[in-house]
Amino acid sequence: NAGVTQTPKFQVLKTGQSMTLQCAQDMNHNSMYWYRQDPGMGLRLIYYSASEGTTDKGEVPNGYNVSRLNKREFSLRLESAAPSQTSVYFCASSEPRDRVVGTEAFFGQGTRLTVV
Amino acid sequence: AQSVTQLDSQVPVFEEAPVELRCNYSSSVSVYLFWYVQYPNQGLQLLLKYLSGSTLVKGINGFEAEFNKSQTSFHLRKPSVHISDTAEYFCAVSFSGGYNKLIFGAGTRLAVHP
Repeated sequence: NAGVTQTPKFQVLKTGQSMTLQCAQDMNHNSMYWYRQDPGMGLRLIYYSASEGTTDKGEVPNGYNVSRLNKREFSLRLESAAPSQTSVYFCASSEPRDRVVGTEAFFGQGTRLTVV
Repeated sequence: AQSVTQLDSQVPVFEEAPVELRCNYSSSVSVYLFWYVQYPNQGLQLLLKYLSGSTLVKGINGFEAEFNKSQTSFHLRKPSVHISDTAEYFCAVSFSGGYNKLIFGAGTRLAVHP
């Protein structure tokens, strides 16, 4: 039972390089999320996808793009990485539709990204 | 807008002592409340959640939390901690109409000493 799987686990980028973080869930969840975790700031929502085919900005979307490839997969792209994007990135998924509220989110193990 | 404040960034405690991690929230709509735990280099794991009903919620690993609507608080407690409870703890809220988006507090690092 894999749950939420993120790749890669670690990545070092040079300023200006691009990369895509991959996320897949096997729980048949409709909603998926990307968060970043920085010391002393908790987790902040970058983008979310309430259901397949939809994406919306979260609290800190600048410098990122997302793609909900299908129901299972939700990728996060950094087009031109900056040192301020050094962080730990978490993907999460949650039970079906917004009408079912209060259900927990399941998290991946995280991607530790360093931009030099 | 919704927000979450965790009042202590670090809490040191001796093994077998009780502990309380404090969480306050602000919201103009009904919220659903969660506590997550993060062990070093791991993802987040749900400890417990409050949706409705009894204000005292019991979770895994002997933790419990009490929802206090008048004080807009959801403090986490454990009567006797173990070394293995050393971790970072996050309080979070979601709300109706919010697609289960979680808004997190800044986290409290619990350090249990022998």
